[in-house]
Amino acid sequence: DIQMTQSPPSLSASLGDKVTITCQASQNINKYIAWYQQKPGKAPRLLIRYTSTLESGTPSRFSGSGSGRDYSFSISNVESEDIASYYCLQYDNLPPTFGGGTKLELK
Amino acid sequence: EVQLQQSGPEVGRPGSSVKISCKASGYTFTDYVMNWVKQSPGQGLEWIGWIDPEYGSTDYAEKFKKKATLTADTSSNTAYIQLSSLTSEDTATYFCARAYTTDYYVMDAWGQGASVTVSS
Repeated sequence: DIQMTQSPPSLSASLGDKVTITCQASQNINKYIAWYQQKPGKAPRLLIRYTSTLESGTPSRFSGSGSGRDYSFSISNVESEDIASYYCLQYDNLPPTFGGGTKLELK
Repeated sequence: EVQLQQSGPEVGRPGSSVKISCKASGYTFTDYVMNWVKQSPGQGLEWIGWIDPEYGSTDYAEKFKKKATLTADTSSNTAYIQLSSLTSEDTATYFCARAYTTDYYVMDAWGQGASVTVSS
């Protein structure tokens, strides 16, 4: 199985900050990475697929980039509604595997 | 509006089985596969498997092949997961999540989750 190493596990930010989360795959995943947001007690919400394609309804302050084994997800101008956990998902190889998650908190 | 409505919390004895349902509405049930994902308390996410409701075909992660059975009823637009031989390791929240048939693992709509507690 492909291992997805996500960092940092937690992140503290002020409103208006830019934050970046990274995921490193144990092998090349050919840009087949998605990013999810999960708020406490709720289901994950798909934000980005195929590295950088924003889902309908995803605010433009969210972005993704990367290639090969290394990928990043950013939020520019953090808003209070962005406080949540974030997960990457690789879907290049079976089984699809998630990163360990990043919990974003307000400073 | 796409909705995936899951059944309520379950409590199972060790060694028993539980079955969770996921009723879909707002889209054509057979145009999407249904994935299932496990989230253990305070932990991350694990993919269990998917079912294609149109054909009944399934695929499972290796570690869940003897644990989970996925089925679907196209007459009621409902997908099911049965978890057998329950142990404390099965205590978790289980989500159903659809994905389009050209992109089986990009899950774009999720149920609210169903908690399973294994307790004697």
